[in-house]
Amino acid sequence: ETGVTQTPRHLVMGMTNKKSLKCEQHLGHNAMYWYKQSAKKPLELMFVYSLEERVENNSVPSRFSPECPNSSHLFLHLHTLQPEDSALYLCASSPNGGRGYTFGSGTRLTVV
Amino acid sequence: DQQVKQNSPSLSVQEGRISILNCDYTNSMFDYFLWYKKYPAEGPTFLISISSIKDKNEDGRFTVFLNKSAKHLSLHIVPSQPGDSAVYFCAASAWNAGGTSYGKLTFGQGTILTVHP
Repeated sequence: ETGVTQTPRHLVMGMTNKKSLKCEQHLGHNAMYWYKQSAKKPLELMFVYSLEERVENNSVPSRFSPECPNSSHLFLHLHTLQPEDSALYLCASSPNGGRGYTFGSGTRLTVV
Repeated sequence: DQQVKQNSPSLSVQEGRISILNCDYTNSMFDYFLWYKKYPAEGPTFLISISSIKDKNEDGRFTVFLNKSAKHLSLHIVPSQPGDSAVYFCAASAWNAGGTSYGKLTFGQGTILTVHP
């Protein structure tokens, strides 16, 4: 365990479903991130939360909706996804003003 | 526009030899660079980093070299071991660019390293 826990590890959902990914960190970090990793592509930054405030949204479709209720928890709510959204979704955290991330193990999402 | 590029999708090396993974970047504001290692079914884990005020940082078998004029960095692993087989990601941040206090990283697409016994 890295200190950043993601659940579930695997998720298969239909295009009409609604599901949520959860990320939890107890490292005392103040910034949290969602990244998407598709095959043969760089890790794509989706959202950044700093001190529970969303500070960056990288043109992510509205079918992805993040939520950060406190500095230890981050959610990614999913609805009406497309098959091309199938990927590994990684959560990371960092100390505010710190360098480098601690990643979770990711959620492998398959949209059918 | 991909600001961090790892142009070699894969690298195969014999155990005991040197592995050299390369990374190029285009954003001159980047001033802090990191390498992450990723095994299948796990998240990336931090390996080594370097600040732009240095040109070399060493940690055991791992050394990162930074050539700012060429906007190029490399990771050397010597001697390579089969357990080093993984995907290696290069990442960069514009730490002193101002405006943000969080450490957003921009990643390359990764290089798959295979070390053969």
